[in-house]
Amino acid sequence: EAGVTQSPTHLIKTRGQQATLRCSPISGHTSVYWYQQALGLGLQFLLWYDEGEERNRGNFPPRFSGRQFPNYSSELNVNALELEDSALYLCASSPGGGKADTQYFGPGTRLTVL
Amino acid sequence: DAKTTQPTSMDCAEGRAANLPCNHSTISGNEYVYWYRQIHSQGPQYIIHGLKNNETNEMASLIITEDRKSSTLILPHATLRDTAVYYCIVSLGGYSTLTFGKGTMLLVSP
Repeated sequence: EAGVTQSPTHLIKTRGQQATLRCSPISGHTSVYWYQQALGLGLQFLLWYDEGEERNRGNFPPRFSGRQFPNYSSELNVNALELEDSALYLCASSPGGGKADTQYFGPGTRLTVL
Repeated sequence: DAKTTQPTSMDCAEGRAANLPCNHSTISGNEYVYWYRQIHSQGPQYIIHGLKNNETNEMASLIITEDRKSSTLILPHATLRDTAVYYCIVSLGGYSTLTFGKGTMLLVSP
């Protein structure tokens, strides 16, 4: 069974640009979560999508947004990039359905803002 | 979600059991204890989770005290590849996000 996949592996942008990160969940999973891990900091919850709807978002500004597609894949968009947005962005998926779901993480996208 | 307390770092000799403690004194009755680990710059890897009873899988065992205020993750025969940051997380599961703390840096040495 294929795990969670993310693309690209690395992304280099300059300040003020927009970044788009993509995530494909495990087959059959309907929930997708996004986390940010900046250097030296812990994982911070960003966004959660389930069945195409945004269910919750963490304490991040509105320039962090995303969506979930009908095939349950997801995309994270970061507008007006700032230097401090440089981080490892992790996507996780879970079966959804409101049970005690385990989240399975992908390998991450390393975003560097110059 | 309730908060957890873990030691900052631990050492373990290769081949020995690694016992990683976690305190979660404010855990509520319907919250699960999850353990993940993260090897440098990779995505976190799910290890095990439990509610009340002790749990075992191919990776580890989870021992939860009867009052559920603490737990221990046991890696029975640690290898060098088990060197990682281990996170203990308390979560409702289901429609809940995971709140990661700083975790325990486990260093397995030859």
